[in-house]
Amino acid sequence: NAGVMQNPRHLVRRRGQEARLRCSPMKGHSHVYWYRQLPEEGLKFMVYLQKENIIDESGMPKERFSAEFPKEGPSILRIQQVVRGDSAAYFCASSLGQGAPYSNQPQHFGDGTRLSIL
Amino acid sequence: KNQVEQSPQSLIILEGKNCTLQCNYTVSPFSNLRWYKQDTGRGPVSLTIMTFSENTKSNGRYTATLDADTKQSSLHITASQLSDSASYICVPRGGGSTLGRLYFGRGTQLTVWP
Repeated sequence: NAGVMQNPRHLVRRRGQEARLRCSPMKGHSHVYWYRQLPEEGLKFMVYLQKENIIDESGMPKERFSAEFPKEGPSILRIQQVVRGDSAAYFCASSLGQGAPYSNQPQHFGDGTRLSIL
Repeated sequence: KNQVEQSPQSLIILEGKNCTLQCNYTVSPFSNLRWYKQDTGRGPVSLTIMTFSENTKSNGRYTATLDADTKQSSLHITASQLSDSASYICVPRGGGSTLGRLYFGRGTQLTVWP
């Protein structure tokens, strides 16, 4: 399966712990996006990364959240000192590119990580 | 503020019937609009895409329309099947300084009954 792979699918943490969510993009894709989805809400953009660079993090909370996409390995979304309000589904998407000529290319989504905070 | 409003919020139809889902958006500048299908517990999957110059696009039993002047789109599903039960999400894409960001509606939750 060459799709976007996210793991773990489910993650349970206690308040104050750290959560690490991983995303391996589709083969050949170098652009990664993270989204958060609360129950009954639409997906909300968090951050857009290319290999080793953060392009747009305007949707990321200013504290406790960070993301990286290293030269080798998956993209990581890290949440430090988790709180109950961090409980949500976190989706990763990847694409070939962003601007022209890729603007009509779809973002391909993984099946998400469901984070539950006790 | 860029927003996407979808209606109805939820819809129940009988297998074999048709239905139409609506989307109004205020995203500007606007690049294209895509409809996604999201099954429960899964990630969204693209159904159709339309640029601002296209009025209609079909993909099997799915037909999407777009009026870029009034900023409205619709998704028509013909001869519904049980597997059509899912959330359908309208996603306009920004242009220009928005860096091509996607704006997600809350979706219409469609349930198809046998």
